[in-house]
Amino acid sequence: DADVTQTPRNRITKTGKRIMLECSQTKGHDRMYWYRQDPGLGLRLIYYSFDVKDINKGEISDGYSVSRQAQAKFSLSLESAIPNQTALYFCATSDRYDPYNEQFFGPGTRLTVL
Amino acid sequence: GNSVTQMEGPVTLSEEAFLTINCTYTATGYPSLFWYVQYPGEGLQLLLKATKADDKGSNKGFEATYRKETTSFHLEKGSVQVSDSAVYFCVTGANSKLTFGKGITLSVRP
Repeated sequence: DADVTQTPRNRITKTGKRIMLECSQTKGHDRMYWYRQDPGLGLRLIYYSFDVKDINKGEISDGYSVSRQAQAKFSLSLESAIPNQTALYFCATSDRYDPYNEQFFGPGTRLTVL
Repeated sequence: GNSVTQMEGPVTLSEEAFLTINCTYTATGYPSLFWYVQYPGEGLQLLLKATKADDKGSNKGFEATYRKETTSFHLEKGSVQVSDSAVYFCVTGANSKLTFGKGITLSVRP
């Protein structure tokens, strides 16, 4: 079984719609992250959470919000989707006791906004 | 903040060719260094890592050495295979966050 799962894996939506991407993990990690990947740009950090009560903006948080419902669940929402939010979205986790900052990634959600 | 610069791609090689993918970084302090790989249609997985100067990370025939004096972490493999075709990301890790390079696409021809 996958340690980090994301749902849905693919989603097509229309401009202006609200959409939620979900991430669950069974690794027991406290720290969770949301990234987006665009061709030629690598991965960029949207939001991160170091525990259930801690939420932090990343470098590209505008237009997004998150919810940390439990240690194992971290959701990303687009309140009003726009076409330039079309991208591949990844959730990741890390262990608070790991001094080397290794992160473990989910399989990704491919989002298309028409 | 940290930044990572990878050589421009894409790269196309014949099977059994030697591979080098250059990576340099800027960082305060002593970051961890990683190479992550993304196979077609899949998520990212860790290929190798190095956590201090002169460490060599290795996995699946790939190697990279943490060179603090040149702030580099070049990825090498002596003989690539078709199955190595993927996108490779050079990444720094510090303060519980990762900074990614833009990635480079490697295609290996039979």
